Amino acid sequence: DQQVKQNSPSLSVQEGRISILNCDYTNSMFDYFLWYKKYPAEGPTFLISISSIKDKNEDGRFTVFLNKSAKHLSLHIVPSQPGDSAVYFCAASAGTSYGKLTFGQGTILTVHP
Amino acid sequence: DTEVTQTPKHLVMGMTNKKSLKCEQHMGHRAMYWYKQKAKKPPELMFVYSYEKLSINESVPSRFSPECPNSSLLNLHLHALQPEDSALYLCASSPSGLPGYTFGSGTRLTVV
Repeated sequence: DQQVKQNSPSLSVQEGRISILNCDYTNSMFDYFLWYKKYPAEGPTFLISISSIKDKNEDGRFTVFLNKSAKHLSLHIVPSQPGDSAVYFCAASAGTSYGKLTFGQGTILTVHP
Repeated sequence: DTEVTQTPKHLVMGMTNKKSLKCEQHMGHRAMYWYKQKAKKPPELMFVYSYEKLSINESVPSRFSPECPNSSLLNLHLHALQPEDSALYLCASSPSGLPGYTFGSGTRLTVV
C-alpha cells in the first residue's frame, strides 16, 4: 500500500521556466510534508516543508502548496536552473510517528540549458 | 557542524562476513534513523532511535542489528546478509523526533 505517490517518474523543463512536481497521499493522519532532493551517490537533501495547518510555504525559488481536501501537494521551482536537475522525493510524517517519514517514488527533474 | 557522517562509503562483503556501518552527528539531534534504499526506489525506514533507545523497528530481519552507543553515534551491525540486501544504507538525524531530517551520504553495500 503506497501511501505517498509521485505519479510522474520524470519531468523535463527549460532553464528559466517553472518546474511543478506533484505528490498525492492517502493517509489522513499525515500532518507534515517535506520535499527532498537527491543527487546520485549522495543522501537526500532537505528542501522545504509544510505543516498541515498551512496551505503554502515559500523559500526563495521553492514554494510548496498543500491541498488537504484533495490530499495533494506540489513543489514549484521558479526559475528552474540546470543545477536543479536531480531526483525529487516527496515525504510525509504523522505526528505520533517518532519522525518516521514515508517517501514517494521520486520524480527525476531535468532542467535543460 | 551540520553534517551526518557515514562510514564506510562503499562496502563489499560476503554472505558469511560480519561488518558494521557507522553514523555520526554532532548537531545535538536526539533522534537517529537507518533507512535502506534500493535502486530506483524510495528510502524505506528500518530503525528509529530516540534518546538512544530503539523506538521503531520496521520488522527488519535479525541479520541487521542496530546499536546506539551514545547520542552522537549510530551503528548498524551486519551478519549473514543475502545478496538482496545490497542497497544504499542511509543514516539520518533530527531534533527530538521532528521529521526535518539531515541525511548522511550513505553506505553503498554490495553482498556477494
